Amino acid sequence: SAVISQKPSRDICQRGTSLTIQCQVDSQVTMMFWYRQQPGQSLTLIATANQGSEATYESGFVIDKFPISRPNLTFSTLTVSNMSPEDSSIYLCSVGGGPDTQYFGPGTRLTVL
Amino acid sequence: AQSVAQPEDQVNVAEGNPLTVKCTYSVSGNPYLFWYVQYPNRGLQFLLKYITGDNLVKGSYGFEAEFNKSQTSFHLKKPSALVSDSALYFCAVRDMNNNAGNMLTFGGGTRLMVKP
Repeated sequence: SAVISQKPSRDICQRGTSLTIQCQVDSQVTMMFWYRQQPGQSLTLIATANQGSEATYESGFVIDKFPISRPNLTFSTLTVSNMSPEDSSIYLCSVGGGPDTQYFGPGTRLTVL
Repeated sequence: AQSVAQPEDQVNVAEGNPLTVKCTYSVSGNPYLFWYVQYPNRGLQFLLKYITGDNLVKGSYGFEAEFNKSQTSFHLKKPSALVSDSALYFCAVRDMNNNAGNMLTFGGGTRLMVKP
């Protein structure tokens, strides 16, 4: 199994600012995923990040709002830009251990005032 | 496209009684099916998965799930509920034939409340 850590675990931010969330995995993985879980909602995939290529964004999510970096096979960052209260969510990093396995980080709880 | 439905927002059960959390899915090909649990202020924890083979899958903490292809369902079950089972449960699916990557699609989640 993969062990995933995220930083920060939680943050409270002001409207209009940006926050970068870090995801670290204890093994090399090809694909990393970023999900959003809005309050009381299910998980929604934001984007898929492969090392060495541009992230692939799902419908409703754009790179200007959620830029992603994937500098190596164990690390990725997601930035939430120009935040508004609607961005208050839990952001989860995930990696695939194969087509039948997926592991999740502990999440970053973001509150935007 | 793949989708998952969890028809119940909340399930209430008394401790010691059996519990069922319902899940139905839709995929164009054959499914990989998963159950995850989320405790308050915690990340998602993997419970069990169905890939192939026996329709009854056993997982962590005494949970099991039954894959029913004709009903496109993958209900989560436990013979005797514990108060500590109270949490948010998510069903998820991946289409085995989906070449777009390892994307999981999640259901809306079901909150399980086990009362003493």
